[in-house]
Amino acid sequence: AQKITQTQPGMFVQEKEAVTLDCTYDTSDQSYGLFWYKQPSSGEMIFLIYQGSYDEQNATEGRYSLNFQKARKSANLVISASQLGDSAMYFCAMPSSMNYGGSQGNLIFGKGTKLSVKP
Amino acid sequence: GAGVSQSPSNKVTEKGKDVELRCDPISGHTALYWYRQRLGQGLEFLIYFQGNSAPDKSGLPSDRFSAERTGESVSTLTIQRTQQEDSAVYLCASSFARVSPLHFGNGTRLTVT
Repeated sequence: AQKITQTQPGMFVQEKEAVTLDCTYDTSDQSYGLFWYKQPSSGEMIFLIYQGSYDEQNATEGRYSLNFQKARKSANLVISASQLGDSAMYFCAMPSSMNYGGSQGNLIFGKGTKLSVKP
Repeated sequence: GAGVSQSPSNKVTEKGKDVELRCDPISGHTALYWYRQRLGQGLEFLIYFQGNSAPDKSGLPSDRFSAERTGESVSTLTIQRTQQEDSAVYLCASSFARVSPLHFGNGTRLTVT
């Protein structure tokens, strides 16, 4: 079964600095994907970035990038030039199964990391 | 276009009452998911609908929980004989059939007194 582990319950970062949020996973699937979501204090879940296991390059979306190390089964989120608005919970997630003939199934979420950006 | 819409946004109910939560997915999204998030916790999968396939109910915590979806549109999550431990935010999400991000609604905050 898929498993997502986020070992950092909370992180602090100074505004304008970069921060890395850890995510390790366990799967026996050959093909899979990793998602990162942000949940501000208002509660909505916001999709940030996706990495497919066969993608040759690490995914990037603006200030967000994934440090994807397949051999280590890690997909760490890097946020560059942190802003006060980045303060939120961050969740790593992966599909329970990858069936390209159909759908991805439900997402399995880690317990999250609470990021606080200091001015 | 409109995002995922959930109603009500807040619901306070007495222990033992039934509640019904509604989710309107994004038009064209064939997959629909319900998650539960207790205070300060991660997301707990409840149920997943994909097109006309049988739903994946593996996350429902007890037989007091049930959900329905009409075609590829509205879904309702029903909790019968509510208990205090049912208090949580119930999040609905939808996505395209293939690998794609989930789009979440703002959730329904359920409080059982």
